[in-house]
Amino acid sequence: KAGVTQTPRYLIKTRGQQVTLSCSPISGHRSVSWYQQTPGQGLQFLFEYFSETQRNKGNFPGRFSGRQFSNSRSEMNVSTLELGDSALYLCASSLALGNRGDTQYFGPGTRLTVL
Amino acid sequence: GNSVTQMEGPVTLSEEAFLTINCTYTATGYPSLFWYVQYPGEGLQLLLKATKADDKGSNKGFEATYRKETTSFHLEKGSVQVSDSAVYFCALSDSNDYKLSFGAGTTVTVRA
Repeated sequence: KAGVTQTPRYLIKTRGQQVTLSCSPISGHRSVSWYQQTPGQGLQFLFEYFSETQRNKGNFPGRFSGRQFSNSRSEMNVSTLELGDSALYLCASSLALGNRGDTQYFGPGTRLTVL
Repeated sequence: GNSVTQMEGPVTLSEEAFLTINCTYTATGYPSLFWYVQYPGEGLQLLLKATKADDKGSNKGFEATYRKETTSFHLEKGSVQVSDSAVYFCALSDSNDYKLSFGAGTTVTVRA
């Protein structure tokens, strides 16, 4: 079974631009979560989508948004980029059957650099 | 809210040494606990997990036991290899939602 895939793997943007990152979950997984990883803040939860609906949201400004499509693929968008948005953005998918210990499987990440 | 505290690194060991990474947590519900590993330039890989008190997760020689009384989930390996060099993250997910709360990560370097 193919793992979680993320595109692009690397991205360079300038301040003020916007960016869209894509995530394809493991086949059959219905939940997709996004995390931001930076040296200073570590791993922080952005949001989670399930059946095309945002089910949970972290403490990030409204410039960060996302969506999920009917095939469970997800995109996240960051508008008006700031230098501090430079990070590794990780996508994770899970079956989300409501079981305890439902495991999230991570993709390789998209490395975003804002100049 | 939920939080995870891990011992700070970096940790440097010789091959075949014993490894312990301490992890303690605070949670409002009854969480599931995880250890993830991140190799350079890669995403996170699940190393092991435990979903209830006294459960022991194990994988690739690593072990961790869910201790509710001490709110801990310490990672151990009896004999490390150079290939175990990576960053290790302790994490929890609450019984009420699925998001993962992570510790700061511990960088482990194993020298031959």
